[in-house]
Amino acid sequence: QKEVEQNSGPLSVPEGAIASLNCTYSDRGSQSFFWYRQYSGKSPELIMFIYSNGDKEDGRFTAQLNKASQYVSLLIRDSQPSDSATYLCAVDTGAGTALIFGKGTTLSVSS
Amino acid sequence: EPEVTQTPSHQVTQMGQEVILRCVPISNHLYFYWYRQILGQKVEFLVSFYNNEISEKSEIFDDQFSVERPDGSNFTLKIRSTKLEDSAMYFCASTLKRQAEKLFFGSGTQLSVL
Repeated sequence: QKEVEQNSGPLSVPEGAIASLNCTYSDRGSQSFFWYRQYSGKSPELIMFIYSNGDKEDGRFTAQLNKASQYVSLLIRDSQPSDSATYLCAVDTGAGTALIFGKGTTLSVSS
Repeated sequence: EPEVTQTPSHQVTQMGQEVILRCVPISNHLYFYWYRQILGQKVEFLVSFYNNEISEKSEIFDDQFSVERPDGSNFTLKIRSTKLEDSAMYFCASTLKRQAEKLFFGSGTQLSVL
C-alpha cells in the first residue's frame, strides 16, 4: 500500500514568518512530487512540483526533495494570512497517471 | 485560464440509486481523472482514462463504478447503486501529458447519499 504521510497540524505561524511543511512517502519508485493548496470546500490547486533532489524555488515557496530519505518539504517565506489553508503533498504512483495524496497539513497564519 | 467544469455542484440521492456525475475537461487535454474526498479525509484517486479506456484504477473503483467519454467533450462517472459511504466530494481532473506538471481540477460535485 503506497502511503503519503503528513502531520495534520494545525501549524500556526505569525504573519511574516517561515512556515515549514513536511511529507514522507513510502514508494521508492515515485518520480514526481507535488504540493497542492486546498481552501475549505474548494478543489486543490497546484503550488509547486519537484522531480529532482534538492531545492526548487518559486517566489515565496521553496520545495525540497530528498529521495534517499523519501522526504519532501515545502517552505513558505513571509507567510501571509491568505496562505491559511490545508497543504496537500502528492506523489505519483509510479505507473505514471495517478497521484497519491497525503491527508494534508492545516496552516494558520495570524496577522 | 481554461477550466474543468463539473455538474451538478451538489447531488442528493437515495441509497441504492444510480447517479451520474458529469465533467467537461479542458478541450485539448488527453488524460482524465476522477478523485474523491470524504469530508475531513484525504483526496483519493479513483480512476484515470486515456484514449477511450481506463489506464489506471484504484481499489476503490470497484464494479459499481464506471466511466465513460460519450462524446468529444464530456467525461462521466457513474455509480450504479449508491451506498452511504459514497457520500463525498468528487473531483474531475484533466491533464495534457501523461507525466503532467499540473493536474487541473474541477470545482467538484458534492454527493450526499441518504
